[in-house]
Amino acid sequence: DGGITQSPKYLFRKEGQNVTLSCEQNLNHDAMYWYRQDPGQGLRLIYYSQIVNDFQKGDIAEGYSVSREKKESFPLTVTSAQKNPTAFYLCASRGQGRERGNEQFFGPGTRLTVL
Amino acid sequence: LAKTTQPISMDSYEGQEVNITCSHNNIATNDYITWYQQFPSQGPRFIIQGYKTKVTNEVASLFIPADRKSSTLSLPRVSLSDTAVYYCLVVLSGSARQLTFGSGTQLTVLP
Repeated sequence: DGGITQSPKYLFRKEGQNVTLSCEQNLNHDAMYWYRQDPGQGLRLIYYSQIVNDFQKGDIAEGYSVSREKKESFPLTVTSAQKNPTAFYLCASRGQGRERGNEQFFGPGTRLTVL
Repeated sequence: LAKTTQPISMDSYEGQEVNITCSHNNIATNDYITWYQQFPSQGPRFIIQGYKTKVTNEVASLFIPADRKSSTLSLPRVSLSDTAVYYCLVVLSGSARQLTFGSGTQLTVLP
């Protein structure tokens, strides 16, 4: 089955530690995204990547970093500089084409809790 | 990037038709309108998209007037399992840049 996987599902971190969230897709999509969702809120864009070895900041990139060394993988690192990292993190990818290329496919999410 | 406005919440009863309206006053010529559904602790799921007039698929219809400044998602005969948050999103076709989803509309279907 094609899709997006995120791991781990739940993650606990102590203050001051960096942590990396995994996102893998086998949909052959060029574009990938990271969002953050806080309770009762919508999704906010952290970073996105249109192609391998290229990525752009979204609306709330401070305290986060990403890499895109492979088409299938777009890991997100939450650094100690992120002041309030406890949230639900969602990874997505988007296909190509004039119409189907507007659809984003989301992973199951990682819930990060800072202790 | 076009900003969208939706009602914060809506209630309905099982078997009724539900219409959720989204306004996007500064939509651009090449923008598409897309809708997503999200259940708690899950990623959003694409429902439908459209450019103008009416689009229908197996789960919903999308109505877009000629001026494209608003759109209405129509869910026929809702069931309890349709209780979710629904997001309206304006997407520039061919661009990877995605608009922030916003808070969406919490639909609660009552028995």
